[in-house]
Amino acid sequence: GAGVSQTPSNKVTEKGKYVELRCDPISGHTALYWYRQSLGQGPEFLIYFQGTGAADDSGLPNDRFFAVRPEGSVSTLKIQRTERGDSAVYLCASSPKTSGVLSGANVLTFGAGSRLTVL
Amino acid sequence: DAKTTQPNSMESNEEEPVHLPCNHSTISGTDYIHWYRQLPSQGPEYVIHGLTSNVNNRMASLAIAEDRKSSTLILHRATLRDAAVYYCILNAWTSGSRLTFGEGTQLTVNP
Repeated sequence: GAGVSQTPSNKVTEKGKYVELRCDPISGHTALYWYRQSLGQGPEFLIYFQGTGAADDSGLPNDRFFAVRPEGSVSTLKIQRTERGDSAVYLCASSPKTSGVLSGANVLTFGAGSRLTVL
Repeated sequence: DAKTTQPNSMESNEEEPVHLPCNHSTISGTDYIHWYRQLPSQGPEYVIHGLTSNVNNRMASLAIAEDRKSSTLILHRATLRDAAVYYCILNAWTSGSRLTFGEGTQLTVNP
């Protein structure tokens, strides 16, 4: 597609439930990023993939959060046993392959986000 | 990751130029300076980036200090649609373009 697509746009769930959020990146972009944004704050990095593998998952807050990208395209962020503090907008971004010194010039394209509300 | 400092908020009038400052005194030689903006209820949107020289594109201009410890995003004629949070971010090649966002500058544009 022309942009990064995220589904669902809104998700309301109950505390303790399992949630999946999907990201469909720009075709051909090998790098994919997940961020979380709480109200009034800047986006907070969670994890990024280079192809199918997680190149950096240092931002995942705990083991309830997990993300996969099995075929190097679509990615799913999975949250187990949701808590009220997980309520936020979850943003996905993609970019062309990143490597080498010039990768500092790499530009990310973000989706509109998935708003998660845990009651 | 090298840190950036921006004012929390700024205000401008429509059709006037806006200069959004950013300090990044700990920038390293290979860090690129990026600007993104976020309109209400949308994901961040790329605006412009540069390394050492000033840059212009259809959205804005980026002026980079000679010592690279600060930069300024310039919107030449602000419109109401430019009202957004503007983020100044250093993109280090060692981070795999994992951008670290601060709280940004909330720009208000008055009609």
